[in-house]
Amino acid sequence: ETGVTQSPTHLIKTRGQQVTLRCSSQSGHNTVSWYQQALGQGPQFIFQYYREEENGRGNFPPRFSGLQFPNYSSELNVNALELDDSALYLCASSFGGDVQETQYFGPGTRLLVL
Amino acid sequence: KQEVTQIPAALSVPEGENLVLNCSFTDSAIYNLQWFRQDPGKGLTSLLLIQSSQREQTSGRLNASLDKSSGRSTLYIAASQPGDSATYLCAASFLDSWGKLQFGAGTQVVVTP
Repeated sequence: ETGVTQSPTHLIKTRGQQVTLRCSSQSGHNTVSWYQQALGQGPQFIFQYYREEENGRGNFPPRFSGLQFPNYSSELNVNALELDDSALYLCASSFGGDVQETQYFGPGTRLLVL
Repeated sequence: KQEVTQIPAALSVPEGENLVLNCSFTDSAIYNLQWFRQDPGKGLTSLLLIQSSQREQTSGRLNASLDKSSGRSTLYIAASQPGDSATYLCAASFLDSWGKLQFGAGTQVVVTP
């Protein structure tokens, strides 16, 4: 059984650019959630995808968007990058549905916006 | 507004001492509460998940309790070791935002040899 993987591990972008982060969920999981963790803070919920549909969104602007694919892997896209977008981006997979199970996190992608 | 708070922000204990980490939440309509460990620059490792119908969960040296009426969860780590040094985060999933984890800011723990 493979765990949650994310790519790339590190990324440097400049303000105004666009970025795509990728997440492969753990085998058997159908739900992916994305979180943003600024330095010294707890992760903040961005959104969740369940069976390819958005299933809840946190307090993030529309320039944060996502996709979930039929194999339940996922992408997070951020347009018009701002300096404050610099953070560790974490994805978590779980088996969702009628019962919310433990969320398993990937190692994260560290994004630096200059 | 639903909030999750962890106090203190940092803690240092000598090896062998028991660790007690606190987590409080403002809304008793909780679905479950999860404790995580985070090593510097790394992702989160799930330690324990407590469903709202449970009062505690145990795994090895770790024990977590949940008291919905007082809005508190406590993580106990027995006989701490230097390898336990990390940041510990609690996260609540509330009934009206099911699936969304609301995190505390974490408690940074240092266990000195």
